[in-house]
Amino acid sequence: GESVGLHLPTLSVQEGDNSIINCAYSNSASDYFIWYKQESGKGPQFIIDIRSNMDKRQGQRVTVLLNKTVKHLSLQIAATQPGDSAVYFCAENDAGGTSYGKLTFGQGTILTVHP
Amino acid sequence: EAQVTQNPRYLITVTGKKLTVTCSQNMNHEYMSWYRQDPGLGLRQIYYSMNVEVTDKGDVPEGYKVSRKEKRNFPLILESPSPNQTSLYFCASSLAGSAETQYFGPGTRLLVL
Repeated sequence: GESVGLHLPTLSVQEGDNSIINCAYSNSASDYFIWYKQESGKGPQFIIDIRSNMDKRQGQRVTVLLNKTVKHLSLQIAATQPGDSAVYFCAENDAGGTSYGKLTFGQGTILTVHP
Repeated sequence: EAQVTQNPRYLITVTGKKLTVTCSQNMNHEYMSWYRQDPGLGLRQIYYSMNVEVTDKGDVPEGYKVSRKEKRNFPLILESPSPNQTSLYFCASSLAGSAETQYFGPGTRLLVL
């Protein structure tokens, strides 16, 4: 999961395993959440999003779960592949409030997939 | 090809020398934003713009200026750069008038000596 400090959380998995990346968000008013993937030397790339009126959303090989009670977000990647190795960021937005243009990112989790 | 472009990609400068990092998108997006990325701190939003002539501060706006005179361009201006502005900068844009589903540029790595 996310943590404060200079050392990013890391997750190492074997190719073919399922991966779960966690994120704790801070703003109880946030009502829109996004997961981004960032490969080395590139900008973040959108993976999947979810609004606060949902608790689960599925994409291709990815599922995002939202638990508003404990302000927790997770990204599940099925059948993880070496190409999934990257840093994963969650981001939160108060889309219904006055700051709907602001996006706050977590510090990221490093996913390493071993062949 | 739909994309967000930034220039320059790499820049070394000295303290106090004004610089501008350009950002341009060809997707007719209303929303644009600037972020800086530092080790262990993730991405932090500097400024964002909901539309032409509409800009707002993000979480770390100090020492930066932006302008949005036309929809496709959103330059980031450092009037008097300081070493603590050494960072990796990303521009992003979104079709919706908010922070949703942003497309990021390739990044600009800035070193201020």
